[in-house]
Amino acid sequence: ETGVTQSPTHLIKTRGQQVTLRCSSQSGHNTVSWYQQALGQGPQFIFQYYREEENGRGNFPPRFSGLQFPNYSSELNVNALELDDSALYLCASSLPTGGVTEAFFGQGTRLTVV
Amino acid sequence: AQSVSQHNHHVILSEAASLELGCNYSYGGTVNLFWYVQYPGQHLQLLLKYFSGDPLVKGIKGFEAEFIKSKFSFNLRKPSVQWSDTAEYFCAVTVGSSNTGKLIFGQGTTLQVKP
Repeated sequence: ETGVTQSPTHLIKTRGQQVTLRCSSQSGHNTVSWYQQALGQGPQFIFQYYREEENGRGNFPPRFSGLQFPNYSSELNVNALELDDSALYLCASSLPTGGVTEAFFGQGTRLTVV
Repeated sequence: AQSVSQHNHHVILSEAASLELGCNYSYGGTVNLFWYVQYPGQHLQLLLKYFSGDPLVKGIKGFEAEFIKSKFSFNLRKPSVQWSDTAEYFCAVTVGSSNTGKLIFGQGTTLQVKP
């Protein structure tokens, strides 16, 4: 167990709807990163939050947005869902200490868009 | 843009066979290198990592990897695989001297070990 928990584990949504995914980071970790893993592919970096501010974003449209709360938990919101958004969404937490740190992953949320 | 290539998409081995999974990255500066494993139904777990120092890195479960800077490679090896090594393996990098957790992953290699 990594101490990173995600909810829900599975979700089915209809095209055009909105979805919110949640991540609770490992205790003491102030950085949360979100990844999208399509079937048969490696995870792709969506964005990262550090101390409640967005700290870098991958090649994803603005309808992918996020939040980080004072307790460092995080949400990923996706608006206007498309069929291609069907994927496993992974959250990873880390604690940058000025050097190189390790990211710990949750089990992911499997999103299916129909 | 930086990218990571894993050349073997699906590998099938018998128990006790040796394993080598290829990983190449495209970035000329400082990189930090990782191998993650994803067992069926489980979260991504770190096998090993390279930040600096000895380019031969030993990880958990008997895995090791060698960083060859001139070849932009970080291949994963295990002398003798077990059935329990059946999983998806991902090579990943971050760029720069300070890792902020923004991992760039390869597309993964599915390893199937036959008993």
